[in-house]
Amino acid sequence: AQSVAQPEDQVNVAEGNPLTVKCTYSVSGNPYLFWYVQYPNRGLQFLLKYITGDNLVKGSYGFEAEFNKSQTSFHLKKPSALVSDSALYFCAVRASYSGNTPLVFGKGTRLSVIA
Amino acid sequence: NAGVTQTPKFRVLKTGQSMTLLCAQDMNHEYMYWYRQDPGMGLRLIHYSVGEGTTAKGEVPDGYNVSRLKKQNFLLGLESAAPSQTSVYFCASSRTTAGGDEQFFGPGTRLTVL
Repeated sequence: AQSVAQPEDQVNVAEGNPLTVKCTYSVSGNPYLFWYVQYPNRGLQFLLKYITGDNLVKGSYGFEAEFNKSQTSFHLKKPSALVSDSALYFCAVRASYSGNTPLVFGKGTRLSVIA
Repeated sequence: NAGVTQTPKFRVLKTGQSMTLLCAQDMNHEYMYWYRQDPGMGLRLIHYSVGEGTTAKGEVPDGYNVSRLKKQNFLLGLESAAPSQTSVYFCASSRTTAGGDEQFFGPGTRLTVL
């Protein structure tokens, strides 16, 4: 079975400070890992993904994420937060061997960036 | 290129009424999905399709039916709506699932069942 945990329901950070949104996963074998962002009253937008290769993945809007196999984590980071980054963030996983199975999503973390 | 579109955007139903939500994608994707989003529950998969004419159950399929008669469309039906089906429904599509292809999401349909 595949699962994702986002241990924080809410993350608050001051504008200009670095931000981290945490994600841990559980799959058998190698994972494909994704981050999505949802702005109010909108659908989910793809931010970045890890498939293979370099553990540090760069994505849209200055976000990046680090894959850590030993800790089974894929935390989302940004060096300097903007008020416009305030949104709901979802981590998702799929095992690389799993064929046709869809992504499994975490429950989401609400990021609030305070000016 | 409109991506993934959903119709309608909002709907209010009375208990027991039926309705169909339409999802359309213009990216020639093989895979399509229906999710529901509820506060504190994240996204839960209702049904999905791996190609035209195929459907499969997800995590929460009860009370819903789906059809994929055309590759570009994926319909979600509620035969007898219940208040527990009040939610925001999202459709998504992907080219494949192999190779780590991402899913593209529509804007959502907000459904209220009274």
